[in-house]
Amino acid sequence: AQTVTQSQPEMSVQEAETVTLSCTYDTSESDYYLFWYKQPPSRQMILVIRQEAYKQQNATENRFSVNFQKAAKSFSLKISDSQLGDAAMYFCAYRHNFNKFYFGSGTKLNVKP
Amino acid sequence: GAVVSQHPSWVICKSGTSVKIECRSLDFQATTMFWYRQFPKQSLMLMATSNEGSKATYEQGVEKDKFLINHASLTLSTLTVTSAHPEDSSFYICSARTGGRSPLHFGNGTRLTVT
Repeated sequence: AQTVTQSQPEMSVQEAETVTLSCTYDTSESDYYLFWYKQPPSRQMILVIRQEAYKQQNATENRFSVNFQKAAKSFSLKISDSQLGDAAMYFCAYRHNFNKFYFGSGTKLNVKP
Repeated sequence: GAVVSQHPSWVICKSGTSVKIECRSLDFQATTMFWYRQFPKQSLMLMATSNEGSKATYEQGVEKDKFLINHASLTLSTLTVTSAHPEDSSFYICSARTGGRSPLHFGNGTRLTVT
């Protein structure tokens, strides 16, 4: 069974600084997708970034980038120039082809002004 | 694009009654929708996969008779919590995909409180 692990329940970062959130996953598949979702206090789930496993290049979306290490089954999220609006719960998610998503336990990110 | 609307956003019901939650894909057709449950400060737990025109697939441990799912059209799936009890109080979130390889798009969620 696929599992997604986020080992950091809570993290803090100073505004304008950089922070990295960790995620590891377990799978026997070779073709899959990885995602980072953000859940602010409104509880609306917002897609931050996604990565296809067959792509070696790390995905980047503005201030958000990932470090995808397929062999190590690691998928970390780096947030550069952190902003107050980045404060939220961040969930790492795994999906194999057309199947269901599996979510990690989440990391609460605090941004200090 | 890819907007998922969930209604109601908040509902309070008495123990023993039933509550229906609607999930609509507003600008795309969703052959598959997913229902999640989230307890405070916890992750999303998949309850069931809703397929248009067929029976839902429930995750292990989820009571099919308590959580009735209907996916009657390509844009609407409903979750009915039957004979609700206080322990059913939770945050329920639906989601849908626009296509096979697309990410999940989430509704705003429904906070259910059973008194």
